[in-house]
Amino acid sequence: SYVLTQPPSVSVAPGQTARITCGGNNIGSKTVHWYEQKPGQAPVMVVYGGGDRPSGIPERMSGSNSGNTATLTISRVEAGDEADYYCQLWDSSSDYYVFGTGTKVTVL
Amino acid sequence: QVQLVQSGAEVKKPGASVKVSCKASGYTFTGYYMHWVRQAPGQGLEWMGWINCDSGAAKYEQNFQGRVTMTRDTSISTAYMELSRLKYDDTAVYFCARLSGDRYFDYWGQGALVTVSS
Repeated sequence: SYVLTQPPSVSVAPGQTARITCGGNNIGSKTVHWYEQKPGQAPVMVVYGGGDRPSGIPERMSGSNSGNTATLTISRVEAGDEADYYCQLWDSSSDYYVFGTGTKVTVL
Repeated sequence: QVQLVQSGAEVKKPGASVKVSCKASGYTFTGYYMHWVRQAPGQGLEWMGWINCDSGAAKYEQNFQGRVTMTRDTSISTAYMELSRLKYDDTAVYFCARLSGDRYFDYWGQGALVTVSS
């Protein structure tokens, strides 16, 4: 089955840029979505379709995807961005939905 | 506004079954697929499968085949996930999530904690 690999953790200082990667075989040919999850809460979608944001999600969050890596970029990081982040896609070959392993973002 | 409200926490013994409900409101229930995702304590998100809320057809992730059953009751806009032959490592928060047309999950339930303990 299709595997999505994320770094377990990313640390970033306030005001800097956090980049969270999501690795998968030829992931650039697929549509990747990103979710933010804070402790004790359900996940919330922050980027979909590779780069669009739902209403209410700041422009500081953006997505890109090429080759074997998709990336969620959080610019001008704030303390409130501290959370777990997951990538997700639909694997057409299996008709399964796949989540990445998750990345904990810590704001220093 | 769209809301998915799940049933409460459950404690079950190994070998028992649990049925979690997900009541939808604020949209046409039969117009979407409902998915189920679980999260073990301190772990990541694990996709379990989906149900077509219109036809009732379901698809399950291979690891849950034979133990999970997803159903729905359109008269009360509620989806259900039943997991049988529970094991200790089924202890997790179980989420329902609505699938959008672009194959992402746009709304989530609040989660239901299922604890398997003797």
